[in-house]
Amino acid sequence: GIQVEQSPPDLILQEGANSTLRCNFSDSVNNLQWFHQNPWGQLINLFYIPSGTKQNGRLSATTVATERYSLLYISSSQTTDSGVYFCAVENGANNLFFGTGTRLTVIP
Amino acid sequence: GAGVSQSPRYKVAKRGQDVALRCDPISGHVSLFWYQQALGQGPEFLTYFQNEAQLDKSGLPSDRFFAERPEGSVSTLKIQRTQQEDSAVYLCASSLFATNEKLFFGSGTQLSVL
Repeated sequence: GIQVEQSPPDLILQEGANSTLRCNFSDSVNNLQWFHQNPWGQLINLFYIPSGTKQNGRLSATTVATERYSLLYISSSQTTDSGVYFCAVENGANNLFFGTGTRLTVIP
Repeated sequence: GAGVSQSPRYKVAKRGQDVALRCDPISGHVSLFWYQQALGQGPEFLTYFQNEAQLDKSGLPSDRFFAERPEGSVSTLKIQRTQQEDSAVYLCASSLFATNEKLFFGSGTQLSVL
């Protein structure tokens, strides 16, 4: 399967700070998604972004498919942003390959 | 229902026991996926249903794992003769369309095999 690498593995932020999370993938993909897993284990879809840039409130994402990476930007972080952020990709088989995630802790 | 519902939330099994994990997807959702998430790892694909048809079971780790969705709604993941390496969180997700775009995940079943 496709290899998905995320960085950094862990990130600690002061409330109000901005951050950038990175996802590199090893092959061409049809589909790339970002998810947030909250401390209770619930996975929430943030973006479906095979290419280009999207924004949703304080979050935005950019995928450069030709260079096989995607970035997730979090601005003005809040304690509720804490959790693990996963990047997941698909190359046509309808099953998503997830990275190992970035664990974000936002401290007040 | 309002979301994807999984039961039980926690399951403790003795090694060698059979277990059955249930997933109630959002009503009307065509696609249903099962994932396995080991501690500290990302979810790993197990199997995919489109309505009642199991279109992909390439991620099932062994023939002890079996999944079904007989009426195209509720799905059951069965693990026979559980082993310690089966301990993980089992996540179910559904989508309105025949793709994995806009997936809604359940809260998972945490399986511990002793």
